[in-house]
Formats: sequence, C-alpha cells, structure tokens
Amino acid sequence: AQTVTQSQPEMSVQEAETVTLSCTYDTSENNYYLFWYKQPPSRQMILVIRQEAYKQQNATENRFSVNFQKAAKSFSLKISDSQLGDTAMYFCAFMKLGSSNTGKLIFGQGTTLQVKP
Amino acid sequence: EAGVTQSPTHLIKTRGQQATLRCSPISGHTSVYWYQQALGLGLQFLLWYDEGEERNRGNFPPRFSGRQFPNYSSELNVNALELEDSALYLCASSLGDLGTGEFFGPGTRLTVL
Repeated sequence: AQTVTQSQPEMSVQEAETVTLSCTYDTSENNYYLFWYKQPPSRQMILVIRQEAYKQQNATENRFSVNFQKAAKSFSLKISDSQLGDTAMYFCAFMKLGSSNTGKLIFGQGTTLQVKP
Repeated sequence: EAGVTQSPTHLIKTRGQQATLRCSPISGHTSVYWYQQALGLGLQFLLWYDEGEERNRGNFPPRFSGRQFPNYSSELNVNALELEDSALYLCASSLGDLGTGEFFGPGTRLTVL
C-alpha cells in the first residue's frame, strides 16, 4: 500500500522569503504522479503543481517548484517570494497510473503554512 | 471555464437520516471522485465514477453510495447518518487517468446532530 508522509504539521515564513515543505512517500509502483495541493481557509482545494515519476526534470509553476528525488522517495515543494495569499494548508498527494490505476489520490496529513507580513 | 460545482454548501441532518450531495464536473471531464475530509482523519478517498460506472471505492461502509448520470454529474448518498459522518465532502473531476490531476469543488459541509 502507498503512504504519503508530511512531517511538518505547521510552518511559517516571512513575506517575500522562500520556504520548503517536505513530503516523503512509499510505493513499489514505477508509474505514478505526485501532486501538491493548496487548501486555503475557503476550503477550495487547488492544484499547485504535479510531477510525473518518469520525468527527471523537476516541475515548476511560477513561484512554485519541486525537488523530486525518486530514489529517496522525496517530493518537496519550494515556494519562492512568499505572498500573504500563500497562507493555506498544503497537501502532498500520490496517484498510481496505468493499468493499476485506482483513480485514487493518497494524501499526506498536510502542512499548515502561514505567511507573515 | 466553470470549475467543479457542489451543492448544497452546507447540510445539517440528524442521526439516522439520509443525506444527498451533488457534484457537477468540469465540462469534458468524465471521471468524478468523492473524498471525505473529517477532522483528525485527513482526506480519505470514497468513490470513483467514470463513464457512469463505479470504478473503485474506498474503505467505507455500504451506506455510502452514489451514482454518475449520463451528463457525468454525480450524487453521493449517505444513509443512516452517524455523528462521525460529519465532515467536508469534496468532489473532484478529471480526464480519466491522464495525470492531469484532479480538480476539486468547494465541498459540502455535512453536520450530523
């Protein structure tokens, strides 16, 4: 069974600074995707970034980038130039694909990030 | 492009009653997923519908059921409500397993008294 672990329940960062959120996962699958989702106080889950396991290049989306270490099963999220609107809970998630696809996202416990002015 | 929509926003029921939650996916998306986000339990996968059929269900009792309509919208039914069913229920949609990620709706907050 796959598991996703986020070891940092809470983090804070000053506005305009950089912060890194950690995520590790456990799987025996080779074909999968990893995601970071953001859930602000409004509770709307928003897809921040995704990474295909077969791609070595780390995904980036504007101020958001990941450090994907497949062998170490690590998938951290770096937020650069933090903004007040980045305050939210962040979830790391795993989905296996291909013929063994279950259609299921497996989520970590979440990290609450507060951006301070 | 309209996102995933859910109704109602809030729902208050008493123990033993039935609750019906509705979800409309993003136009063109054929897969609909339901997740439960309960306090202290995190996000748990409930159900996956694709092309009108149930493809997978999570570790929930049979009183959690649903269906997907020909227009790909979906309904989640929870029978014989229990206090621990109180949670935020999130619906998501995607283009099958193309790895686009699942796009979530705003959720329905179910409170069981």
